[in-house]
Amino acid sequence: DTGVSQNPRHKITKRGQNVTFRCDPISEHNRLYWYRQTLGQGPEFLTYFQNEAQLEKSRLLSDRFSAERPKGSFSTLEIQRTEQGDSAMYLCASSPGGGPSYSPLHFGNGTRLTVT
Amino acid sequence: AQKVTQAQTEISVVEKEDVTLDCVYETRDTTYYLFWYKQPPSGELVFLIRRNSFDEQNEISGRYSWNFQKSTSSFNFTITASQVVDSAVYFCALSEGEGGSEKLVFGKGTKLTVNP
Repeated sequence: DTGVSQNPRHKITKRGQNVTFRCDPISEHNRLYWYRQTLGQGPEFLTYFQNEAQLEKSRLLSDRFSAERPKGSFSTLEIQRTEQGDSAMYLCASSPGGGPSYSPLHFGNGTRLTVT
Repeated sequence: AQKVTQAQTEISVVEKEDVTLDCVYETRDTTYYLFWYKQPPSGELVFLIRRNSFDEQNEISGRYSWNFQKSTSSFNFTITASQVVDSAVYFCALSEGEGGSEKLVFGKGTKLTVNP
């Protein structure tokens, strides 16, 4: 069990640029979640996958955001035309299944995005 | 609507003191799940405990204990004989519905500093 891995750890980009983050969940975990955390706040749910299917999206996930999990293993989160308000820590989590009430979520260290 | 309130933004104690972190929640569901997570400076959220709405028994795990009171919609967390390694941000979270929804709603967190 190597834990949930997120890359990069930090990303600085200029407003208007596109960025992509990667999350590698714990192997054999079929559920994968993305959360966003801004300074001084708790994490906010963005979306989750069961295997390769994206089953729920928060209204926080605007049209500029897209997440994929093409083979049911790693996932990518892309933000197009970044805005300063996108600056945050993006957290990925995985679980073996059954939702957070059955299986605790295992979180990665996050990707910190700064939009200048 | 579901909501989690952690009124204490920051707490500072001296090592070996006991400290209680407060959590008050709001939900319309009769079935729900409550969680505590720890976020050390490294950023990775660490699961501490999960509690369902039908189990009001208090729980103790080593120096950690949790007091769940449905009458006051509270799920407080006590650390006994605090240690410097307990310094972190602690989040309370809620998941609604039978089996729990996929979404965790987090409070804003309480930053605990334990001084030597």
